[in-house]
Order: sequence, then structure tokens, then C-alpha cells
Amino acid sequence: QVQLVQSGAEVRKPGASVKVSCKALGYTFTSYDITWVRQAPGQGLEWMGWISGYNDNTNYEQKFQGRVTMTTDTSTSTAYMELRSLRSDDTAVYYCARTYYYGSGPWGQGTLVTVSS
Amino acid sequence: QSALTQPASVSGSPGQSITISCTETSSDVGGHNYVSWYQQHPGKAPKLMIYEVSNRPSGVSNRFSGSKSGNTASLTISGLQAEDEADYYCSSYTSSSTYVFGTGTKVTVL
Repeated sequence: QVQLVQSGAEVRKPGASVKVSCKALGYTFTSYDITWVRQAPGQGLEWMGWISGYNDNTNYEQKFQGRVTMTTDTSTSTAYMELRSLRSDDTAVYYCARTYYYGSGPWGQGTLVTVSS
Repeated sequence: QSALTQPASVSGSPGQSITISCTETSSDVGGHNYVSWYQQHPGKAPKLMIYEVSNRPSGVSNRFSGSKSGNTASLTISGLQAEDEADYYCSSYTSSSTYVFGTGTKVTVL
């Protein structure tokens, strides 16, 4: 079945970078986009951006422009999200999801990124 | 500040129907039918329940239905069950080809 499997939890110091992976299983990776969403502890969902699985086109939420890079590796059906210059308020669970029409599903299990000195 | 406003909480008894609203407060969203709804149980990843206002993905119960009137989209859960207790988020496509999520609604089954 369609499944997205994300990399494990990460701990970083302020100012560092983190790269989260998202491996797609059960479908043709290049036929769908991948969306990235984050959720700070006890907070709502925040849309970060998407990347095409076909041609690597991206569209980032303005808030993250200049700090985020989304990439793919079609040979392994894996998407990546790198966030730089981390701050404490970047502590959150980061999710990837397959774009499905004008929605997103299914979602990965989430990756907790903790930013702490 | 989200461009989509939802009630903080909605509750109902088992078997009842409840409706969650999602009101567009910005001109950057709306004017289209690209609204989706997500269910999130505590500690779990969100799940797509409705896409493009009223379409259910395969496997989603037909107790969940979506609609839209003017600048307000709605998710209705009929025959409320204990397992429906969760957080629900709406989402809309924007004029910048991005997406925005609603503020979220906690559904409690009494």
C-alpha cells in the first residue's frame, strides 16, 4: 500500500541545520508531489512547501524562503527537507505527505526535530 | 495568523451529527473548490478525510461529508462515534500556489 517512511528524531543546536528524509513506497514517485508540514508542540499544522516528484519544481511558504531546501532522489523514491539556521521555535514534528489532488495523503509518521542548546 | 478560522471546539453525543466550519478571512484564499479536511488523533499523523470540498478518499467513512457556501467550508460528521474524537483541520489552496491550514477544531464525543 502507499506509505511514506520518515527518518528518525534529531537534536540540533541553534544555528545548525537538519535534513529530514521521506521514503515513498507503493506508488510511482514521479507521478506525485511531496508536501512538507510541521507542527510545534501543542500547536496546529503549518504548511512549509512542496516539491514535484517529476521535475523538482518547488514552492516554499514565504516564511521559510532562504532557510529551507526541498529535494528528491528519484532513484530511491526519497524526498528531503533541509532547514538551516535553526532556532528554538523550529522545534516541531515535521511531516511529509503525498499531494493527492488538491489535498495531501497519506502522511509520513513524522520526525521530531528538537532545537536546544 | 491563519487565513482560515475554525471553532476551537465542537462536541456531540454518540449518534448525533456535528458540523465544523472553516471561514476564509483573507482574499488570498477562496474563490475555488480546493478545500481539504484532516483528522488528527493525539500523537498521530494527520489523515486526509475530504479533498476538493466534498470528495472522500478511498477508505474514509461516508459518515464524513464536506460542503462549501460562500467563503465558509464545512465538515459534517454524522452518526458520531467515540473514534471520531480528534483534532480536525481544514486547508485551502492560495493565490500564491501555496496552502494554508485552519486554526484547528477539537471534537469531543460526550
